Amino acid sequence: EDQVTQSPEALRLQEGESSSLNCSYTVSGLRGLFWYRQDPGKGPEFLFTLYSAGEEKEKERLKATLTKKESFLHITAPKPEDSATYLCAVLNQAGTALIFGKGTTLSVSS
Amino acid sequence: DAGITQSPRYKITETGRQVTLMCHQTWSHSYMFWYRQDLGHGLRLIYYSAAADITDKGEVPDGYVVSRSKTENFPLTLESATRSQTSVYFCATRTGPGNQPQHFGDGTRLSIL
Repeated sequence: EDQVTQSPEALRLQEGESSSLNCSYTVSGLRGLFWYRQDPGKGPEFLFTLYSAGEEKEKERLKATLTKKESFLHITAPKPEDSATYLCAVLNQAGTALIFGKGTTLSVSS
Repeated sequence: DAGITQSPRYKITETGRQVTLMCHQTWSHSYMFWYRQDLGHGLRLIYYSAAADITDKGEVPDGYVVSRSKTENFPLTLESATRSQTSVYFCATRTGPGNQPQHFGDGTRLSIL
């Protein structure tokens, strides 16, 4: 069964305190792993797609990496505006839809 | 650039009533999706559509009906609303193959009393 597990559920950081969010997945033949950011009252906003182990992508203070079993979203020197829920998803075996994890809610205080 | 517009943004209704949630896109993307988001479950797929007049079930389709007569619209109907269908509903689109990202609207918060 295709499955995505994110940890931790919640993370509190001080401004400037770097950390990582984890996304572990089980799917046969990964065809895409997606990271989204969701702000309260809004829909998920696309951040990255990773396709193969070893791949990395960066955007401002965020860097996503991928292994054969998991992905990490590294946040370097976060700012309060990085506070949001971060969602991870994989494309299902049929290639038709995304399977989402429950998300990690990040709070960054100044 | 409106992208995806969902309406209404908020809706309160009673059990047994029929309610339709609207989704309109300005991009002409082929694929459209309906998800529900609940605490403790994350986003779950209800229905999706690969093109006009082509729809298919997702993970949690029971109690929902969809149609897609035009590429830009993908309404979701709850035929007889139940309290368990209280949720936040998101519409999403995708340009082409599954390995392309989906883009989401801002959701409809539906409460069923």
